[in-house]
Amino acid sequence: AQTVTQSQPEMSVQEAETVTLSCTYDTSESDYYLFWYKQPPSRQMILVIRQEAYKQQNATENRFSVNFQKAAKSFSLKISDSQLGDAAMYFCAYRSSGAGSYQLTFGKGTKLSVIP
Amino acid sequence: DADVTQTPRNRITKTGKRIMLECSQTKGHDRMYWYRQDPGLGLRLIYYSFDVKDINKGEISDGYSVSRQAQAKFSLSLESAIPNQTALYFCATSDPRTSGIYNEQFFGPGTRLTVL
Repeated sequence: AQTVTQSQPEMSVQEAETVTLSCTYDTSESDYYLFWYKQPPSRQMILVIRQEAYKQQNATENRFSVNFQKAAKSFSLKISDSQLGDAAMYFCAYRSSGAGSYQLTFGKGTKLSVIP
Repeated sequence: DADVTQTPRNRITKTGKRIMLECSQTKGHDRMYWYRQDPGLGLRLIYYSFDVKDINKGEISDGYSVSRQAQAKFSLSLESAIPNQTALYFCATSDPRTSGIYNEQFFGPGTRLTVL
């Protein structure tokens, strides 16, 4: 079974600075999908960024980018120019690419605080 | 946006009571999911359904049941609530026909359930 590990329960960053959240996973599959979800105090789960394992290029969405290291099974999220609205829980998630695959396996989350 | 709605948003109940959490979606997705979120544990899958006639157990289905009344409605029931079912519950939807290879899941706003 796949597992997803987020080793940093809490992190903080100064407003306008850059922060990197770590995520590692364990899998024997060669193709799969990785996601970062944001959960602000409103509780809503919001998809931030996604990556397919076969794509070499790291995904980028505005101030959010990932560092995907397939051999190391690492999928870290970098937030540039941090804003107060980035304060939230961040969850890393894994999904197999197998036929009929559906299940997201989540990490335990990292709580990000943004200091004004 | 309110593509996936959950009712109620908050609920307090007593041990032994039967309770139903409801989820509705206007996204036209065929797949629906129920997750449970506990502090420090991330999200875990309770049940999932790929269409009205298809119901499947997830990782932690004991003590729960579901009903897929229509493509757009998926309800989660706790037949006899117990305190360790106190958690945040999320409904999610997906559809590979429209989400492409990522088949990303879209989450509702969550229901906070407290069992006394």
